[in-house]
Amino acid sequence: EAQVTQNPRYLITVTGKKLTVTCSQNMNHEYMSWYRQDPGLGLRQIYYSMNVEVTDKGDVPEGYKVSRKEKRNFPLILESPSPNQTSLYFCASSLSGAAGGGYEQYFGPGTRLTVT
Amino acid sequence: GDSVTQMEGPVTLSEEAFLTINCTYTATGYPSLFWYVQYPGEGLQLLLKATKADDKGSNKGFEATYRKETTSFHLEKGSVQVSDSAVYFCALSERRDDKIIFGKGTRLHILP
Repeated sequence: EAQVTQNPRYLITVTGKKLTVTCSQNMNHEYMSWYRQDPGLGLRQIYYSMNVEVTDKGDVPEGYKVSRKEKRNFPLILESPSPNQTSLYFCASSLSGAAGGGYEQYFGPGTRLTVT
Repeated sequence: GDSVTQMEGPVTLSEEAFLTINCTYTATGYPSLFWYVQYPGEGLQLLLKATKADDKGSNKGFEATYRKETTSFHLEKGSVQVSDSAVYFCALSERRDDKIIFGKGTRLHILP
């Protein structure tokens, strides 16, 4: 089954404790992206990747890191989480980059992160 | 910069009512436009899209037409069902880069 998986689905942590949220897709998609969803703010793009070893900042990259060492995986790293990073996070992938193609994005089920 | 503005929710309608959710955008080029839907507890999924002016996207009884002259992509459905209750997001992707911009979402609640 074609899908995007994220782990963990729920995470409660404390300020400053490094964490990683994993994302994996089995569709051989080139483009992958991370979003956060907050009430009243909708979805905001954190980082995206056009392909292996190619990553770019979205609209809200501060406090986050990503890497793309393999085509299928795109982990999101919070090196020193803070309470303002409490949010619902979504990973997504698409066949190719957004530019010019209008490709559909496939979303993972979400990771609810709470930082105390 | 690019932006997407959609009507504030929540929107509450009775079953079989006509639905319109407004979406307008600001973009420097010729973006592709999307509507995504998020059912409770799930990720987003594509509802419909349009990639050029005057295109009409349609799916599951929903429609939206890409209007370049009014920079709009309003979502419509002739007769809503309780199962349409969800959050709807309008989004655009520009051709000059690979960022994707979402609106803030509109929560729709359909009463039986």
